[in-house]
Amino acid sequence: AQSVTQLDSHVSVSEGTPVLLRCNYSSSYSPSLFWYVQHPNKGLQLLLKYTSAATLVKGINGFEAEFKKSETSFHLTKPSAHMSDAAEYFCVVSDAGGFKTIFGAGTRLFVKA
Amino acid sequence: GAGVSQTPSNKVTEKGKYVELRCDPISGHTALYWYRQSLGQGPEFLIYFQGTGAADDSGLPNDRFFAVRPEGSVSTLKIQRTERGDSAVYLCASSFGTGSYNEQFFGPGTRLTVL
Repeated sequence: AQSVTQLDSHVSVSEGTPVLLRCNYSSSYSPSLFWYVQHPNKGLQLLLKYTSAATLVKGINGFEAEFKKSETSFHLTKPSAHMSDAAEYFCVVSDAGGFKTIFGAGTRLFVKA
Repeated sequence: GAGVSQTPSNKVTEKGKYVELRCDPISGHTALYWYRQSLGQGPEFLIYFQGTGAADDSGLPNDRFFAVRPEGSVSTLKIQRTERGDSAVYLCASSFGTGSYNEQFFGPGTRLTVL
């Protein structure tokens, strides 16, 4: 069975400082992992996905995530936060077939001017 | 092209009533997913269609919930005898193919309120 834990419900950073959103997963199989972002009153948008081709995955808007099997982690990072990054972020794991997807509870990112 | 659309955007109903929520996937997408997102939580998987058939309905909470996709395109989520606990945002997503790496494109959701 798959599960995903987002370690922080809220993260607050200042504009221009690094962002770290933490995610740990549990999977019986080699997992497929994703990060989605949800802006207020907008639909979920894929940021990046881990496809086993490379452990460091680059996504849109300067975000990236590193798959660490030994730590069962898939943390999301960005070198410099922008005000427009303020949103809810979800770490997602899917089953071996890639159909049933499990979302984490979400991390709300606040960016201070 | 157009993204995933869901209607209605908001639905208010009374406890015990029947509701239908509609999802129009992106044209050509064979896979369709329904999720439920309660306040302050991540989306919860309900059901997945590949074509016309429900490939996995293990997330449906009970037999009051049912979903169809008769022609392999539009899908309807049906909730009978609604309860206040059914209040949530119901999200639909579609993807081009199957497999772990296919990106799901999400609609804006239907906010269901059961009074």
